[in-house]
Amino acid sequence: AQSVTQLGSHVSVSEGALVLLRCNYSSSVPPYLFWYVQYPNQGLQLLLKYTSAATLVKGINGFEAEFKKSETSFHLTKPSAHMSDAAEYFCAVSLLSGNKLVFGAGTILRVKS
Amino acid sequence: DGGITQSPKYLFRKEGQNVTLSCEQNLNHDAMYWYRQDPGQGLRLIYYSQIVNDFQKGDIAEGYSVSREKKESFPLTVTSAQKNPTAFYLCASRPDRNTGELFFGEGSRLTVL
Repeated sequence: AQSVTQLGSHVSVSEGALVLLRCNYSSSVPPYLFWYVQYPNQGLQLLLKYTSAATLVKGINGFEAEFKKSETSFHLTKPSAHMSDAAEYFCAVSLLSGNKLVFGAGTILRVKS
Repeated sequence: DGGITQSPKYLFRKEGQNVTLSCEQNLNHDAMYWYRQDPGQGLRLIYYSQIVNDFQKGDIAEGYSVSREKKESFPLTVTSAQKNPTAFYLCASRPDRNTGELFFGEGSRLTVL
């Protein structure tokens, strides 16, 4: 069965600092991987996705993620945090032939001024 | 504009009452999903439907029911059998399994008093 682990339920960074949100997946076959962002009392918005093309994936708002098969990881990064990045972030995995996405528990990002 | 509309945004009900949450999409997507979100637990799949007049249970279907009579609509009923119904409910749709990503509505927050 596929699963997702997000390390750190809360991450705090200073404005302008590097953002690193960690995601590890468990899957017996190559998966699709996703990062979503959620602002309070809103739905989820897709940041980026990996679908077996380039291993370094660029998304919206300056975020990117790198698929590392050997480490079963798909960590999300942004070189310089902005106050507007404060939100909850979810990593998700889906099999190539799968009907559904499995989500991690989420990481709340706080950006300090 | 195309999208997913959930209503109501906020709903208060007394214990023991059934409630129905609406989800409508005009994206012409075949697949639709219902997730439940609780703090620190990520998103958990309640039900999903790949095609009209067909749906499958997700991981936490007990106490919930759905119907899929039209491609555009996938309402969720939270029955009195659901032991802890207070939560944030998210509806999503998916264009096809080859891309994998889900498109989300804005969510409905149900509070049972």
